[in-house]
Amino acid sequence: DIQMTQSPSTLSASVGDRVTITCRASQSISTWLAWYQQKPGKAPKLLIYKASSLEGGVPSRFSGSGSGTEFTLTISSLQPDDFATYYCHQYNSYSRTFGQGTKVGIK
Amino acid sequence: VQLVESGGDLVQPGGSLRLSCAASGFTFSSSWMTWVRQAPGKGLEWVANINQDGSEKYFADSVKGRFTISRDNAKNSLYLQMNSLRAEDTAVYYCTRDGRRDCSSTSCYFDFWGQGTRVTVSS
Repeated sequence: DIQMTQSPSTLSASVGDRVTITCRASQSISTWLAWYQQKPGKAPKLLIYKASSLEGGVPSRFSGSGSGTEFTLTISSLQPDDFATYYCHQYNSYSRTFGQGTKVGIK
Repeated sequence: VQLVESGGDLVQPGGSLRLSCAASGFTFSSSWMTWVRQAPGKGLEWVANINQDGSEKYFADSVKGRFTISRDNAKNSLYLQMNSLRAEDTAVYYCTRDGRRDCSSTSCYFDFWGQGTRVTVSS
């Protein structure tokens, strides 16, 4: 299976900060990567697909980039509603895998 | 789009359980569907998926031979039959819909998720 590694695992930030989360794949996945946001007790929500395509209704402060094995999710100006856990997800193979998650907390 | 899971329960190790997912708000028979699970305090794990007419099914190694996935397009419903349950199967199980565009040749992202149903395997 393709292993997905996110960094950092946790981060503390303030409202208005620029936040970047990195996701690395154990082998090339082209741009077959998605990002999800999950809040406690809730289902994940799709933010980004195909590495950089913003899902409808998702605020433009979220952006994704990368290809091959290295990807980033950027929140340009962190808002109170953005404190959550973020997961990357590769769909290059039948066996889809997720990163371990990055928890974004309040500094 | 709405996905509503049911069937989660407390079950003893070695037992069986059948999860259901009722879909509405989209053409169910046109969509690949997937089960994803999340153990308590842990990350997300793909479990199984099924194509539009049920002729293709894929399973994670961790559940292969114990779980089966099926669907009833006439009832807009997805199912997960779980047998020989183990403590490590304890999780919230989510029903998800595969995306419609920009998918790879083998799989896709998940554009809609249900609220999840909790399965606890314990004696």
